[in-house]
Amino acid sequence: DGGITQSPKYLFRKEGQNVTLSCEQNLNHDAMYWYRQDPGQGLRLIYYSQIVNDFQKGDIAEGYSVSREKKESFPLTVTSAQKNPTAFYLCASSIGTYSYEQYFGPGTRLTVT
Amino acid sequence: AQRVTQPEKLLSVFKGAPVELKCNYSYSGSPELFWYVQYSRQRLQLLLRHISRESIKGFTADLNKGETSFHLKKPFAQEEDSAMYYCALRGGSQGNLIFGKGTKLSVKP
Repeated sequence: DGGITQSPKYLFRKEGQNVTLSCEQNLNHDAMYWYRQDPGQGLRLIYYSQIVNDFQKGDIAEGYSVSREKKESFPLTVTSAQKNPTAFYLCASSIGTYSYEQYFGPGTRLTVT
Repeated sequence: AQRVTQPEKLLSVFKGAPVELKCNYSYSGSPELFWYVQYSRQRLQLLLRHISRESIKGFTADLNKGETSFHLKKPFAQEEDSAMYYCALRGGSQGNLIFGKGTKLSVKP
C-alpha cells in the first residue's frame, strides 16, 4: 500500500512531556512537510525538508523539532516548550518543494492535558 | 505579505444550486494557485490547480489577476461535494504552499 502513513492516529500526553509523531512515505518523494491544523486556522506550516539531512523552519516552528535521517521518514517532536500542543497534525510529501501537488497523510490528533 | 483569504468559514447550499467558494490572495509575483479538498474521514487532497485550467468533479476555478481572486465554482452542487475546501498559494522562499483558513461546504438535500 503506497502513500504516507502517520502513527498513531490518536495520541495523549501529559503536559511537560515531549512526544514524537511518526511520518513515513514510500513515494520516493524528496520533500516532506509538517502542518498543524486547528479549527478556523487552516493549515500552518511547522517544518519542511527538501532533502535528507536538511530541514527548514516554517511559520510556527517554535516548540517543535524534526529530523530527516532517511528519505522515507520525517518525525516531528512536540516539545514541552510548545505552549498549545493540542492539535491535529498533518504530514505531507511531494516530489520536490516546487512540485505542484502535495500528498497528505491521515493525520495524528494530539491531546495534551 | 503573501496571504490567502477565504472569507467564508461555512457555506451552505441546497443540492442542485450553484456554488462559489471565494479565495483572494496577496502575492507580488506571478501566482500559482490550488484548491485542496478534505472530505469527511478522508485525507486532504489536491482538487485542481489554476495552471491546468481543468474541471474536476464539475468544479472550475479561474485566476483573476486583476481582482487577485481564484474562486472555486460549480454550477450544480451535489451532496457528495460537502467537504472542507482550502485555497492555497505557492509562495515562500522555497516555494511552499500557503493555505487559507478553509471553507466548509455543506450541500443539503
